[in-house]
Amino acid sequence: AQSVTQPDIHITVSEGASLELRCNYSYGATPYLFWYVQSPGQGLQLLLKYFSGDTLVQGIKGFEAEFKRSQSSFNLRKPSVHWSDAAEYFCADFGNEKLTFGTGTRLTIIP
Amino acid sequence: EAGVAQSPRYKIIEKRQSVAFWCNPISGHATLYWYQQILGQGPKLLIQFQNNGVVDDSQLPKDRFSAERLKGVDSTLKIQPAKLEDSAVYLCASSLSTVGDEQYFGPGTRLTVT
Repeated sequence: AQSVTQPDIHITVSEGASLELRCNYSYGATPYLFWYVQSPGQGLQLLLKYFSGDTLVQGIKGFEAEFKRSQSSFNLRKPSVHWSDAAEYFCADFGNEKLTFGTGTRLTIIP
Repeated sequence: EAGVAQSPRYKIIEKRQSVAFWCNPISGHATLYWYQQILGQGPKLLIQFQNNGVVDDSQLPKDRFSAERLKGVDSTLKIQPAKLEDSAVYLCASSLSTVGDEQYFGPGTRLTVT
């Protein structure tokens, strides 16, 4: 069965610092991978997705993610975080025509 | 473009009572999803509709949960009777079709069962 692992439950970074959120997947020769963000009291918003092609994917709000098949990873990065980036981040894999989400990483930004 | 609408936003009920949630997807979206998000976990798919037909309900606890999508537009999710472990946020999402299309999520309904 497909699964998505987000090893970090909670990460704290300083405003202006760089960010990397980890995601590992375990399904499919050609995974369809997504990163979503969920702000308090709101639904999930798609940041970016990877289907094929260039392994470095650009998304909204200055985020990017890199697909590494050899490591089964799809880590999310941002060079400089803003206080408004504080939220819950979910990695997801679309397999068997169904989105399977990781357990999420909560991001806290300190001034 | 209007987003996915859900109501109510919050609901508190006692165990063994029933509850219903409503979802209005984005206009023109053929596929509608209901997810359950328990605190500290990622969303879990409960049921997926393509127009008004069920595509996947393998993770729906059918002894107490039911869902319908009449006329292929709005949908309702019902729980009867509710249990304490049903406390969660219920998210509705919609997409143009099924294969890898972006899913647009509503704000969710937070259910507390006491």
